[in-house]
Amino acid sequence: AQSVTQPDIHITVSEGASLELRCNYSYGATPYLFWYVQSPGQGLQLLLKYFSGDTLVQGIKGFEAEFKRSQSSFNLRKPSVHWSDAAEYFCALAGTASKLTFGTGTRLQVTL
Amino acid sequence: GAGVSQTPSNKVTEKGKYVELRCDPISGHTALYWYRQSLGQGPEFLIYFQGTGAADDSGLPNDRFFAVRPEGSVSTLKIQRTERGDSAVYLCASSPGSGRNTEAFFGQGTRLTVV
Repeated sequence: AQSVTQPDIHITVSEGASLELRCNYSYGATPYLFWYVQSPGQGLQLLLKYFSGDTLVQGIKGFEAEFKRSQSSFNLRKPSVHWSDAAEYFCALAGTASKLTFGTGTRLQVTL
Repeated sequence: GAGVSQTPSNKVTEKGKYVELRCDPISGHTALYWYRQSLGQGPEFLIYFQGTGAADDSGLPNDRFFAVRPEGSVSTLKIQRTERGDSAVYLCASSPGSGRNTEAFFGQGTRLTVV
């Protein structure tokens, strides 16, 4: 069985501060991993994805994520958060075809 | 429009009624997915179409849920005898192929409320 765990339900950071959102996965083969962002009233937008190769993946809006097989993790990072980054963030794993298994999400609040 | 379109954006229905939710995928995308997102949860897979056929319907919770894609483009998710527990946001996604490395593009969802 495959699963994705996002341990933090809610995180608050100050604008300009660094950010790290945690994601752990369970999967029996090479994982295909994604981070999506969901703003209120908006659909899910892909931030970045990891399939193979370089374990540090760059995405849109200044986000990056690092795949660590030994820790079964795929944490999302941003060096300096902007107020517009406030949203819900989902980590997901692709199993069969493009069928995605999502984590429960982390809600990011940014204080000014 | 260039994106995945879902209609209606909001639907309120009475318990026991039948509802249909529509998804217009991105033109040319052969794969189409339905997910359900309950409050405070991540999206959960319902069903996946490759072309006209349902390649994987393992996520449909029971036989009250059914989906079709008769011409390989637009899809309709149908829910019979709705229950209050069916209240959720129903998300549709499409992708140009069905491989694990193919990006899925999501619509904004239909918020279904069963009263």
